[in-house]
Amino acid sequence: SAVISQKPSRDICQRGTSLTIQCQVDSQVTMMFWYRQQPGQSLTLIATANQGSEATYESGFVIDKFPISRPNLTFSTLTVSNMSPEDSSIYLCSVGHRTDTQYFGPGTRLTVL
Amino acid sequence: LAKTTQPISMDSYEGQEVNITCSHNNIATNDYITWYQQFPSQGPRFIIQGYKTKVTNEVASLFIPADRKSSTLSLPRVSLSDTAVYYCLVGGSENGANNLFFGTGTRLTVIP
Repeated sequence: SAVISQKPSRDICQRGTSLTIQCQVDSQVTMMFWYRQQPGQSLTLIATANQGSEATYESGFVIDKFPISRPNLTFSTLTVSNMSPEDSSIYLCSVGHRTDTQYFGPGTRLTVL
Repeated sequence: LAKTTQPISMDSYEGQEVNITCSHNNIATNDYITWYQQFPSQGPRFIIQGYKTKVTNEVASLFIPADRKSSTLSLPRVSLSDTAVYYCLVGGSENGANNLFFGTGTRLTVIP
């Protein structure tokens, strides 16, 4: 299994600002994903982070709002742009060589005031 | 995209065996069945995966009937630390296309 770290673990931000979340893996992995999980809810996939190319976004999520970078096989960032209180959530990155056996990071708890 | 249906919540006493059943009527031939466990304030954790019949590991057993339209996660002799949300997923690929769907999950509460 892979060891995944995320930074920051939590943050409180003002509306209209942006936050970049980092995801670091201790080994090279084929796939990296970003999820959002609102309190008491299930996980929703935001996008697949593709190494060396633009991320693949799920329906309802756009690059302008959630730009993603993946410069190499062990690191990715997700930016939550122009935040509003509705963006308050837990953001999780996951990695794997198959989509059905993913390893998740500890998550970043974001509160937007 | 194969979706799943599972009970929203379950309660169990410590020491009992817990069985959580998941329905996946539209499962495709190549789909695996995977279960994840999520504790509060943590990311989900992979616990078991199967394709057909029975799979057992140190944490749980997974029973899959011949038609594969459902599966049952079995947790032997649960303890308070097994209180968590359990997600059943079907699908999976190696080509980067994420066809997994995390449904509502089953919130298991273990009672002393």
